[in-house]
Amino acid sequence: DQQVKQNSPSLSVQEGRISILNCDYTNSMFDYFLWYKKYPAEGPTFLISISSIKDKNEDGRFTVFLNKSAKHLSLHIVPSQPGDSAVYFCAAILGTSGSRLTFGEGTQLTVNP
Amino acid sequence: GAGVSQSPSNKVTEKGKDVELRCDPISGHTALYWYRQSLGQGLEFLIYFQGNSAPDKSGLPSDRFSAERTGGSVSTLTIQRTQQEDSAVYLCASSLGPASGGAYTQYFGPGTRLTVL
Repeated sequence: DQQVKQNSPSLSVQEGRISILNCDYTNSMFDYFLWYKKYPAEGPTFLISISSIKDKNEDGRFTVFLNKSAKHLSLHIVPSQPGDSAVYFCAAILGTSGSRLTFGEGTQLTVNP
Repeated sequence: GAGVSQSPSNKVTEKGKDVELRCDPISGHTALYWYRQSLGQGLEFLIYFQGNSAPDKSGLPSDRFSAERTGGSVSTLTIQRTQQEDSAVYLCASSLGPASGGAYTQYFGPGTRLTVL
């Protein structure tokens, strides 16, 4: 039962353009969502998060949008840079347990110079 | 150090041997988590510690897997009688914990790459 899904295994964009990474979830009880970036041979690095009571959170070049009715969130990176090339994971957490992160499968982003 | 550290970074072992993986969380983080990522797979939850207690160990795949945490700090994940399907990157994360006003963000270590021959 994959509760968090990232349907695009890969995404390729040109430097300077916008990257949009998508994530869908099935459990309406999730109340906190996070995006992580992962380079090969490293652990995931926290990027940005959003509470379920919000619909947008912005931090520099990164913005996360949450559409609760559609159970969908997206990460926008503007402008994209070659150093952003990595695997991006969407994750969700149940506030009642305050414990495990449930991850999507990841999307490999490639930003071409 | 400022971040989560894990040791060893790489471990190669023979099938049937026991292995111990270590995690040092960020100082002051009461919550500690173990995940693993098998080749071509997503990140899979294993166990969660709050302090020295493990309220959620439901992700441990078999009774060959165990973990402990002492002094509310260092944690050790032990795999007994390793099998080839145990080969994966084992990741540790820590957070301030659910009691800290909803500070759910988990910070990950670099992982231990386990290869079982």
